[in-house]
Amino acid sequence: DTAVSQTPKYLVTQMGNDKSIKCEQNLGHDTMYWYKQDSKKFLKIMFSYNNKELIINETVPNRFSPKSPDKAHLNLHINSLELGDSAVYFCASSRTTGGYEQYFGPGTRLTVT
Amino acid sequence: QQQVKQSPQSLIVQKGGIPIINCAYENTAFDYFPWYQQFPGKGPALLIAIRPDVSEKKEGRFTISFNKSAKQFSLHIMDSQPGDSATYFCAAGAGGFKTIFGAGTRLFVKA
Repeated sequence: DTAVSQTPKYLVTQMGNDKSIKCEQNLGHDTMYWYKQDSKKFLKIMFSYNNKELIINETVPNRFSPKSPDKAHLNLHINSLELGDSAVYFCASSRTTGGYEQYFGPGTRLTVT
Repeated sequence: QQQVKQSPQSLIVQKGGIPIINCAYENTAFDYFPWYQQFPGKGPALLIAIRPDVSEKKEGRFTISFNKSAKQFSLHIMDSQPGDSATYFCAAGAGGFKTIFGAGTRLFVKA
C-alpha cells in the first residue's frame, strides 16, 4: 500500500507547454505539500495545504497553481513551462501543520526541453 | 533566521566508520528536528527525529546529538555500511510553521 503516490513519475515536455502532476495520500493526513528539488538536491517548499486550504505559498511564479479537491489529494498545474522548471517535484503529507513527520512521495522528474 | 545550515556537503567513509553530519539553526521557535534519508530516485524518508528537551536519541545505528544552547544538532551513523550511502537532510520545524531543510549531505560508504 503506497502511502503517498504521485503521477507521472517522469514528465518530458517542451517549453511553453502546460502540465499537471497529481498526488494522493492514503494516510489520513490533514496537511500536504509540494517541494521542488533542484539538481544540487536542495529541497525547497513551494506550497502547503491543510484540509484543502492553502497555508503556505512561497515565492513561486504564478505559472504554478496547486489545487486540493479534498484533503487526500493535492495536484500541481504548471503553465507555460520554462527550462528552469526542470527539477524533481515531491509531494509530501503530514498529520498536522508544522511539518512534523513528513511522508514524501516518490517524486516526479520534470524535464523541459 | 529561517536557515538551517548543514555540513559537510559530501562525506566519504570506510565501511565500519562513523560519519558525522552537523546542522545549525537560528530560530529558537523550532521544536522538532528530524533527519531524512534519500536514496537515488526516491523521495526523502524520515530516519530519526528529536525534540529539544533531550540531548541525545538513538535508533539502531543512528544517533542524534542535540545542543540547545549552541543551537546545533548532529547525526552519527555507527558501524556505517555501503547500504547507508545516500543523501541525508537535517530539518527544523515548529507547530504552524513550515519545515526548513538543510542543503543535504551526500554520504558514500566504501566497502
